[in-house]
Amino acid sequence: LAKTTQPISMDSYEGQEVNITCSHNNIATNDYITWYQQFPSQGPRFIIQGYKTKVTNEVASLFIPADRKSSTLSLPRVSLSDTAVYYCLVGDLYFYGGSQGNLIFGKGTKLSVKP
Amino acid sequence: DAGVIQSPRHEVTEMGQEVTLRCKPISGHDYLFWYRQTMMRGLELLIYFNNNVPIDDSGMPEDRFSAKMPNASFSTLKIQPSEPRDSAVYFCASTLGTSGISYEQYFGPGTRLTVT
Repeated sequence: LAKTTQPISMDSYEGQEVNITCSHNNIATNDYITWYQQFPSQGPRFIIQGYKTKVTNEVASLFIPADRKSSTLSLPRVSLSDTAVYYCLVGDLYFYGGSQGNLIFGKGTKLSVKP
Repeated sequence: DAGVIQSPRHEVTEMGQEVTLRCKPISGHDYLFWYRQTMMRGLELLIYFNNNVPIDDSGMPEDRFSAKMPNASFSTLKIQPSEPRDSAVYFCASTLGTSGISYEQYFGPGTRLTVT
């Protein structure tokens, strides 16, 4: 099972770009990389997902190098409301050749955005 | 859609009592997940179902925990007997599976369980 490693915390200021890197050295061929955001007293919320190269949506970008052993979540021009915990998730649900995937959340990165 | 619904939102019980947490997934979703979140261990996947069938329960901590999904719109997570170390926030999530990729999971608001 692919484990993930993220920084425990990061600080930033409003208007800055924030990059959070997740390491997943044992990622499997069938695994996708997904990032979630969690505010206090709420369940996690999906941000973005990718398999390789770059994925961009209206909220964030996800950069995945060719070896896929790490990924970087990029949040452009953060605001105070982006203060949250960000989770990197690596896994696949389906059966492939009899093996079973699982979804493992990292411990998350607590992002604090200051004015 | 109302999203994933969990009940109760808060539960306080005494050690040794049975606790039942309930979840209603988003209509049409075929995967349902139960997670537990604590400060020490973070967010842990306990068990997940596909089309009401338990697929992987390797995250269930011990025999005191059990989960059922009698139909597509309802699941329960039961702890019997409960212990103080079971105190945590329990999340239910659901998603619509698509062959070959991981999924965007929709989480409920969670049940905060306190066992005294």
